[in-house]
Amino acid sequence: DVKVTQSSRYLVKRTGEKVFLECVQDMDHENMFWYRQDPGLGLRLIYFSYDVKMKEKGDIPEGYSVSREKKERFSLILESASTNQTSMYLCATRPSSYNSPLHFGNGTRLTVT
Amino acid sequence: GENVEQHPSTLSVQEGDSAVIKCTYSDSASNYFPWYKQELGKRPQLIIDIRSNVGEKKDQRIAVTLNKTAKHFSLHITETQPEDSAVYFCAASRKAAGNKLTFGGGTRVLVKP
Repeated sequence: DVKVTQSSRYLVKRTGEKVFLECVQDMDHENMFWYRQDPGLGLRLIYFSYDVKMKEKGDIPEGYSVSREKKERFSLILESASTNQTSMYLCATRPSSYNSPLHFGNGTRLTVT
Repeated sequence: GENVEQHPSTLSVQEGDSAVIKCTYSDSASNYFPWYKQELGKRPQLIIDIRSNVGEKKDQRIAVTLNKTAKHFSLHITETQPEDSAVYFCAASRKAAGNKLTFGGGTRVLVKP
């Protein structure tokens, strides 16, 4: 069974802080993703990576950056957290085959005060 | 890029009735269409998917239909039960680096006993 682990379930940060959200997978999947989930807006893609050190912008990358130094780990970075980044953040992984399902982590609920 | 629209945003049905959720997509090259179910406080889980060379797929009480010409696909749940209450997301993807999935806005389904 695929295991996608997000380092924190709940996180509270102050405006202007640098925030790191970590995601680790154990299935050797090439592709990793960060989504943001807000009520009524569904799941919106922030960034994704299809290989080590490779990254691509998703639909809402502003205010975020990512890092993928190792295949199993994909980090989402908020350089200077703002209140409008309060949200649920979901990491997901997917094998290289295009018709394979996405596997999600449990999510990190981030509150920026 | 791909745009996926999902309707309705909320759906209330009586236990035993059927529920139908519809999605439209914009990218004619999209060829993989999964559906995810997210129960309260949990991660989204794949419930069924369909590939573009197939028009319909069934799994017990769940079925998905795809109309490539019209660029829409639908989820059908028959004989609904209280445990079907959840948020459902449709998604679409095409063969490309990263194989990113674009999600619809979600449908909150409430099955009333």
